[in-house]
Amino acid sequence: GAGVSQTPSNKVTEKGKYVELRCDPISGHTALYWYRQSLGQGPEFLIYFQGTGAADDSGLPNDRFFAVRPEGSVSTLKIQRTERGDSAVYLCASSFKGNSPLHFGNGTRLTVT
Amino acid sequence: AQSVTQPDIHITVSEGASLELRCNYSYGATPYLFWYVQSPGQGLQLLLKYFSGDTLVQGIKGFEAEFKRSQSSFNLRKPSVHWSDAAEYFCAVAPGGSQGNLIFGKGTKLSVKP
Repeated sequence: GAGVSQTPSNKVTEKGKYVELRCDPISGHTALYWYRQSLGQGPEFLIYFQGTGAADDSGLPNDRFFAVRPEGSVSTLKIQRTERGDSAVYLCASSFKGNSPLHFGNGTRLTVT
Repeated sequence: AQSVTQPDIHITVSEGASLELRCNYSYGATPYLFWYVQSPGQGLQLLLKYFSGDTLVQGIKGFEAEFKRSQSSFNLRKPSVHWSDAAEYFCAVAPGGSQGNLIFGKGTKLSVKP
């Protein structure tokens, strides 16, 4: 079946602009996670949704980052006033429920110029 | 604070040779431990995981890992490497007992010589 889908696969934006990254999880998966992977680093946890609500947003680096999942399926990660340090691959993962194995998407590569 | 250390940034092995990738973790109790593989242009894929019980765990693609509490290690092994194993490998720990909020190491890139 279809895996986790992330769009766009690549996004180039100018410093100070606003961006939205989309994640479409596997159908029926109630848990959804966002991670950020900077160059030469492992993925870093950002936020976890169980259904529509953010169960754990402790990894969001600052208030420029926000994520929503209004209908408990698709999620959007929103970054305001982007900075060059936000350049990274943003990974989305979903799981059947909160304590099941993660299925990762291929990521969105964000470049802030 | 919990952390994961993968001491080797890059390893090259010959096809058919054995492989061991090192992983050390820092955590107060016995954590959940994972190995993931990331091939170019693809998402992370779970190779295997350890929660409790038998300290030698088998995973997909012929990989295994051994949990050693005394050494705080969870090294990944494969007896005979195939060219298709070339990828980046990440060790991860789940300090909260959840499989989702993971702390990853920086990864080890594996190259395979023909």
